[in-house]
Parts: sequence; structure tokens; C-alpha cells
Amino acid sequence: DTGVSQDPRHKITKRGQNVTFRCDPISEHNRLYWYRQTLGQGPEFLTYFQNEAQLEKSRLLSDRFSAERPKGSFSTLEIQRTEQGDSAMYLCASSYRADNEKLFFGSGTQLSVL
Amino acid sequence: GQNIDQPTEMTATEGAIVQINCTYQTSGFNGLFWYQQHAGEAPTFLSYNVLDGLEEKGRFSSFLSRSKGYSYLLLKELQMKDSASYLCAVMGGSTLGRLYFGRGTQLTVWP
Repeated sequence: DTGVSQDPRHKITKRGQNVTFRCDPISEHNRLYWYRQTLGQGPEFLTYFQNEAQLEKSRLLSDRFSAERPKGSFSTLEIQRTEQGDSAMYLCASSYRADNEKLFFGSGTQLSVL
Repeated sequence: GQNIDQPTEMTATEGAIVQINCTYQTSGFNGLFWYQQHAGEAPTFLSYNVLDGLEEKGRFSSFLSRSKGYSYLLLKELQMKDSASYLCAVMGGSTLGRLYFGRGTQLTVWP
């Protein structure tokens, strides 16, 4: 078990560019979550998947954001036409129902939009 | 709406005991979690409470009172490596696994 892994760790992009992040959850976990965290704040929920189905999306997730989990394993989060306000740490987490849905977080992708 | 409140900063000395409080108001309650987060790193799980009372795990203990909407994290025998942000999070609402986080309490442990 290698834990939740995210790629890349850091991403610097120019405003208006598209970016895509990847998350590989713990293998037996069927739930996968995306959170966003800015400096001095706690993580904020963006969306979650149960297997390949995206079951809930936060109002924080504008139309420029899209997430997929095509085979119920890894997930991608894409941000189109990035804005400076998108600069944040994007955290992926996974959980398993039998473990009280305890979330295990990846190390995150730090996005900087210039 | 969901409201999770915890102090912004705390300081303590090595070997001491510190208590970090958290109050919450949420629609629905499915458990309260404490996470530790070092700067630039992912949050790591510390404790989980769903019933009233104290849960002890080594140097860390967590308490919950559902009727008061209150929890605390107790850290004993503080070490320098305990300097980190401590996040209180409530699993509320209708989505199991969706956590509502407080802003975090930045704990600094001095030698």
C-alpha cells in the first residue's frame, strides 16, 4: 500500500492556460475526493466519486473545473482557462466505508497561476 | 450552513500539555475528525469521535460532546515535531466522507 499519490507536486502556469492533475487513491478505497486549500485555511470540499460515479459537486466548482474517474481507479481534475484565484493546494483523498470513511490525503498539487 | 471554529494559534513548551478546542454547528453529524498538517504537506489522520467521550491514542486524546457541539484535542509530552497545524473537521450533512474543516490551529512548540 503506497498511500494516495498525486501528480504533479507543483504546477506553475500562466493565466488562461489549462492544467490537469492526477490522483491515484489507495487501491481498495472506492470513494475519492478532491479538496482545495488556500494558505491559512482548512481544506474545502470540491467533489467526490464513488467508484466511477461523480455523486456530488460543490458550488466552488465552477464550469471551468471538471473531474473524472473513468474506471473507478485514478482520477483527474482539469481546470480550464486558469485564473489567479485558482492558485491553491489541490488535495485528493480516498476512503473506505468500513473504516468510518476516514479520509487519507495525498501530498497535494500546489498550483500557482501567474 | 456549516460552522467550525477553532483558535488560530497556540504556543507551548516541550514536555507540556496543550488542549486545542473546536466548536461546531453543522446540519447533520456523522463524526468528528482531527488531522495534523505540517507546512507544505498533506493532512494526516489523528483521531475520530462519533460518540460522546474521550478517545485516547498514545500522547494524543480527543474528546467529543455532541450536545454541546464541542470537541478538544489533547496533546501530552509535547515534542518539537508536534509543531504543526491541527485541523478539526466534521463529517456532516448527507454525504458520508464529506468533511467540513475549521481553519486550523497553528501550534508552535518551543524548546
